Formats: sequence, C-alpha cells, structure tokens
Amino acid sequence: KNQVEQSPQSLIILEGKNCTLQCNYTVSPFSNLRWYKQDTGRGPVSLTIMTFSENTKSNGRYTATLDADTKQSSLHITASQLSDSASYICVVSHNNAGNMLTFGGGTRLMVKP
Amino acid sequence: DVKVTQSSRYLVKRTGEKVFLECVQDMDHENMFWYRQDPGLGLRLIYFSYDVKMKEKGDIPEGYSVSREKKERFSLILESASTNQTSMYLCASSLDPDSGTTIYYGYTFGSGTRLTVV
Repeated sequence: KNQVEQSPQSLIILEGKNCTLQCNYTVSPFSNLRWYKQDTGRGPVSLTIMTFSENTKSNGRYTATLDADTKQSSLHITASQLSDSASYICVVSHNNAGNMLTFGGGTRLMVKP
Repeated sequence: DVKVTQSSRYLVKRTGEKVFLECVQDMDHENMFWYRQDPGLGLRLIYFSYDVKMKEKGDIPEGYSVSREKKERFSLILESASTNQTSMYLCASSLDPDSGTTIYYGYTFGSGTRLTVV
C-alpha cells in the first residue's frame, strides 16, 4: 500500500531555532517528492520538488533532503521565524503527470516568540 | 506566477442544495484537480481532468461530479449537499510534462474553499 508518513505530527519551537521534519514513504513507482507549506485556511504552497537523483535542495531557509534508498526525506528549517508557523505536507508523486499523488498527514509547526 | 483562483473562500449551504465550486487557472495547464482536506485524513483526490471535457475519478468521487468545458476552468458539483461534505476543498493545476514543453513538476493549489453544509 502506498503511504507517506510524517513526523512529528506537531512541533513547537522558539523563534530563531532550527528544526527538522521527517517524511517516510512506501510509494512505488516513485517519480518525485514535494514539500508544501500550508498556512491555516489557505491552500498548500510548494517549497521544493525533488526527483530520484537529487539528494539536497534548498529554498532560502528551507533545505530538503532525499534518500531514495531508505525512502526518507527531511525538511530542515533554519533560523525559524514566526511566519514559519504552518502545516508542512510531504507529497510523493507516482508519475510525472501529477495525477497520482500520495499525501502525508502533515506536520503542524508553531514558532513561538 | 501561476495563479489558481477559487471563486469562494467560504460557503454555507443547506442539506440537499446543489453546490458549484469554481476553479480557474491562468497558465494554460492541461491537468486540473479537486481535493478535499479533512483533519486527520489529509488531502484526498475527488476528481481530476487532463483535458477539456475529460475527467477521471479520484479516490472519493461519490456524491460529486465535475465539469471542464474550457481548459482554464474546472468546476466541482455537489449534486445534493450533505453534512458529511463539510470540508475544505482545494483545486490544483499542473502542466502536462508530455506536452513537449519544459519539463515541469509543479503542482499549484488554489487558496481553498471552506464549505459548511448545515
């Protein structure tokens, strides 16, 4: 069964601190893995997209890693800001068309001042 | 930037009403999708369309239908709204990587419509 599991489910950190969110998947075939940020009441916004051959990709203070052998990905947030408070969703695509996606349940991050 | 616009942020409808949720994208994307998002269940695919007048069922199509008369517009229809259809509905679009243009793995979501059925 195709599954994407994220941990932790929720996380509270102090502003300025770093954190790492985890995503484990059992999806086959694998096309790419995406991390999205979703603010409360809004639609998800793409942070990174990683294909099979990519190990690390950065987008500002966000750095995603992918280990295709162990089927694990992480999203590292550096020097957190209050605006980082959101849900972070890991999504694995089965094909390039984007119509076969498996979503993780998300990690809800709260950054406190 | 690609824009996916959903016509309503919040909707309140009565049980049994026919409900239309509209979604428009401005980047000539072939693929469009409707998801619902519920706490603890994540995002679940209702229907998707890969071309005008084409549609495919997703994981939870029961109680819904869709319409794609124009490439830029994808409508979700609740034929007879029920309280268990109270949810956040998200529309998304993506470019077909087989279209011969630049390979693009992007998948853009709208801001969502929070529907409450009473």
